[in-house]
Amino acid sequence: EDQVTQSPEALRLQEGESSSLNCSYTVSGLRGLFWYRQDPGKGPEFLFTLYSAGEEKEKERLKATLTKKESFLHITAPKPEDSATYLCAVERGATNKLIFGTGTLLAVQP
Amino acid sequence: DAGVIQSPRHEVTEMGQEVTLRCKPISGHNSLFWYRQTMMRGLELLIYFNNNVPIDDSGMPEDRFSAKMPNASFSTLKIQPSEPRDSAVYFCASGRVGTEEETQYFGPGTRLLVL
Repeated sequence: EDQVTQSPEALRLQEGESSSLNCSYTVSGLRGLFWYRQDPGKGPEFLFTLYSAGEEKEKERLKATLTKKESFLHITAPKPEDSATYLCAVERGATNKLIFGTGTLLAVQP
Repeated sequence: DAGVIQSPRHEVTEMGQEVTLRCKPISGHNSLFWYRQTMMRGLELLIYFNNNVPIDDSGMPEDRFSAKMPNASFSTLKIQPSEPRDSAVYFCASGRVGTEEETQYFGPGTRLLVL
């Protein structure tokens, strides 16, 4: 059965304290792995898509990496505005169906 | 680009009433997805359309739920009759299936409370 597990469930960081969020997955025929950011009361906002092991993508203080079993979202020198829930999702084959993890709630304190 | 538009943003209704949620996808996108988000189960796909045709409705919880997409710029999700356990945030997303970029873009959601 396809499954996506995110850890930790919640993470509190001091401003400037770098860390990583983990997304472990089991899926038959991964087509893509997606990272979204969700702010309270809003819809998920797209961040990255990764398609193959070894791929990396960056955006401002965020960098996403992918292996055959997991993905990491690295946050370098975070700021309070990076506080949000970060969601990971996988697409199996060409189904166009995303399976989401339950997210990591990140709080960055000034 | 206005993004995905959903209405209403909030809905409070009583058990047994009919609820209709509306979505306008991003212009040019050929696929539309309805999701439900709860604390217990996270984000779950209910149904998705490609070129206005329902492709997979295996996530629709039961016959009380129905969805339509009469044209490329409008979709509805209807719950009749509604029950308290339907309380959740319902998201609509759209994307370009079959292209290099298959990212789904989400709307702001409709918060539904069934009393």
